[in-house]
Order: sequence, then structure tokens, then C-alpha cells
Amino acid sequence: SQQGEEDPQALSIQEGENATMNCSYKTSINNLQWYRQNSGRGLVHLILIRSNEREKHSGRLRVTLDTSKKSSSLLITASRAADTASYFCATVPNQAGTALIFGKGTTLSVSS
Amino acid sequence: ETGVTQTPRHLVMGMTNKKSLKCEQHLGHNAMYWYKQSAKKPLELMFVYNFKEQTENNSVPSRFSPECPNSSHLFLHLHTLQPEDSALYLCASSLGQGPSYNEQFFGPGTRLTVL
Repeated sequence: SQQGEEDPQALSIQEGENATMNCSYKTSINNLQWYRQNSGRGLVHLILIRSNEREKHSGRLRVTLDTSKKSSSLLITASRAADTASYFCATVPNQAGTALIFGKGTTLSVSS
Repeated sequence: ETGVTQTPRHLVMGMTNKKSLKCEQHLGHNAMYWYKQSAKKPLELMFVYNFKEQTENNSVPSRFSPECPNSSHLFLHLHTLQPEDSALYLCASSLGQGPSYNEQFFGPGTRLTVL
């Protein structure tokens, strides 16, 4: 069953603006991860946040996690055209040995 | 580059053909994964191998047959596929399997078209 669900499905912004993507999930998790995929390519791991963490930063990325609402957000600040890609959240349920469960992704388009 | 390579990058095959996809990781990881990515669908996990042993098979049809001869190599053997099997097939690896090792490194994928 699908675990992560990203919102919005598509987002178009101008360079320099901030982009916010949200992810909701259904079951309790060990951690949540965000990945990026350029068109037709493999996914690249961006950031991992554990269930006991509330916020994490990596460069221009800021991820929050609210386990009470079963949701996470990814904020990209001062976006660039090179940030154009699809972004996926993936959850790791608490059951041992269970692999990542991905959402459908948010397609971000940044125009210059 | 992430250290995970996949060949071929593109493959066109007929429904009666037999072909294989290859994945190799140079990261010293012990777990390897096959995913299927179709348009407008979430990534679907197909198979998981940990230390060469298959640990997950996500109800994948038998026309897809995985093989993991060692921790660095993973194959997906294809036979009598259907047009709906056309998709991007992604291979990934991680240090291990389980919540402590979950960051996955993906290959560039094989774009498969079944005619």
C-alpha cells in the first residue's frame, strides 16, 4: 500500500523564490527521506530525518517532520533553474527489514 | 555519479524476446534492490537482496526473474514481457537492510520498451 503522498503534484516558481513540498504518510516510521530525480535518471538521496527529529538542514534544504500529523515538508530556499526535477519522499516503516516506500513525487519547475 | 551502474541504458524488445538487465555497485554495499518506475505511479519495489539472499519479492510476475551472484552484482532476467511492462527499471543499493542503513544509492536506470 502506498505510504508517502506528496503535495502538490506539480509546482512552478521563478528563480530566487522558495519551494515547499509536503509529504503525508500513514503508518509509524523509523525515518523519512527525500530524494530528487532529474528527468529519466536515477534518484539522488537528499536528506534523511529520523522519527525523533523535528527539523534538519542541508545547504539550501530544510526538512521538517511532524510525527503527530504524519507529515513532512521539504523547503528549497533561493531556488535555481538547476533545481528543476521531481522530488520524492520515502518512508521507512518501523518494521525491521522493510525497504523504502516512495510517494508519487512533486515535479518542480524553476524558470529563470 | 553514485557508484551504481546499469546496463543497458535503453532496451527495446519484443514480447517473445529474452533479455537481461545488469546492475553493478562499487560501494561495498550488501543490499541491492530492483524498482519499477512507470509514468504517474510511485516507484514500485520489485525485489530486495541482502548478502546475496532474496529477502523481498513484491508479488512480481514470474516473467521477471532476479539473480544476485554476489553482493556487487544484480541481474533482472526478462522473458515474454507485456507492453505494460514498459517502464524505467532502477537498481539501488544500500549498506545493509533495515532502518539503520536505509539511504539508498540509485543507478541511472534502464528505459525498457516492450513492443
